[in-house]
Amino acid sequence: AQSVTQLDSHVSVSEGTPVLLRCNYSSSYSPSLFWYVQHPNKGLQLLLKYTSAATLVKGINGFEAEFKKSETSFHLTKPSAHMSDAAEYFCVVTKNSGGSNYKLTFGKGTLLTVNP
Amino acid sequence: DGGITQSPKYLFRKEGQNVTLSCEQNLNHDAMYWYRQDPGQGLRLIYYSQIVNDFQKGDIAEGYSVSREKKESFPLTVTSAQKNPTAFYLCASSPLVGLAGREQYFGPGTRLTVT
Repeated sequence: AQSVTQLDSHVSVSEGTPVLLRCNYSSSYSPSLFWYVQHPNKGLQLLLKYTSAATLVKGINGFEAEFKKSETSFHLTKPSAHMSDAAEYFCVVTKNSGGSNYKLTFGKGTLLTVNP
Repeated sequence: DGGITQSPKYLFRKEGQNVTLSCEQNLNHDAMYWYRQDPGQGLRLIYYSQIVNDFQKGDIAEGYSVSREKKESFPLTVTSAQKNPTAFYLCASSPLVGLAGREQYFGPGTRLTVT
């Protein structure tokens, strides 16, 4: 069994300040973890992924996330927010190996607002 | 351009009518998926298919049907049995199921409104 909890449904930051979107996961298996971004009325775009290699993962648009097994966390960060970062962000977990690893389990999303 | 296309972007139907949402991919992916998205609920899996002529129910399959006659196409029919069909529907695909931790690639979505 696996689950994802995104700890904030809404985060608001000022342009140029750091971004932190929090995600905790639960998995009976060795997990793969992803962050996706969704702009209004659009599909989901992959930001970054962790698949049991380096625990600090760098993604597109300056985002990165750190896998912390002891804390079962995979928080998303960015040093300096840009207006174009305003969107909804989803943390996702799946099995890292073996059969039935098709199933992605999504968090409920965090809406990021960036103020000028 | 490689990718996933969904049509139409917006769809309006009267209650009691069946409606079919289109999903086509040219990524040569074996697996395809349909998700439903409602505000504040994340994405929920409706159906998935790992291979042509085979598909499996996801978490919320009731009131939906699919077919997979071609590798590149995975249409979703929302039937009149679906109690709350108004939602944003997303199609996705991924390479061979069974490889570790494969991400899925998403289409732009179809917003269905039933009145």
